[in-house]
Amino acid sequence: DAGVTQSPTHLIKTRGQQVTLRCSPKSGHDTVSWYQQALGQGPQFIFQYYEEEERQRGNFPDRFSGHQFPNYSSELNVNALLLGDSALYLCASSLYSGSEAFFGQGTRLTVV
Amino acid sequence: AQSVTQLGSHVSVSEGALVLLRCNYSSSVPPYLFWYVQYPNQGLQLLLKYTSAATLVKGINGFEAEFKKSETSFHLTKPSAHMSDAAEYFCAVSDYGNNRLAFGKGNQVVVIP
Repeated sequence: DAGVTQSPTHLIKTRGQQVTLRCSPKSGHDTVSWYQQALGQGPQFIFQYYEEEERQRGNFPDRFSGHQFPNYSSELNVNALLLGDSALYLCASSLYSGSEAFFGQGTRLTVV
Repeated sequence: AQSVTQLGSHVSVSEGALVLLRCNYSSSVPPYLFWYVQYPNQGLQLLLKYTSAATLVKGINGFEAEFKKSETSFHLTKPSAHMSDAAEYFCAVSDYGNNRLAFGKGNQVVVIP
């Protein structure tokens, strides 16, 4: 079992551009959650996907959007990038019925 | 809204000494509580979790934590620090079955030889 895998590992984008991050959940998991971790801070919940629908959302603007595919993998999209979007983006997978969340290694996004 | 508070962003401990990281939570419902560890350039690894069973929870790498409802606390301890314990530690809280985690700001642990 490969666990939770995220791609790419690092990414550099320019202000105003758009970015897509990808996540494959742990085998058997049906729920994917995304977190943003700014430097020196704890992770902040962005949103959660189950059955291809956004089920919960944190305090993030509409520039942050996502998608879940039938195979449970997920994408995080961020439009109109700002310098403040520079962070480590973490994906976590779990069972919607309630279970331990497993985290991927993260994608380090740098906006210049 | 649920939240956790971790005081003291940097914690220095001598090798072989007690590791104590404090976490206080705020929750309107019985909480699920977690401690995660993060090594440099890595994701989060679960150390231990409290899910309303035993109040003293044992985790990996010799860590344990005690849930104290009267103090709304879930402090993490390890009797004897090892150099490999140098990392960042996060306390987190969620509702039952919610899987939406609210994290504290973390403690950066430095182990002094």
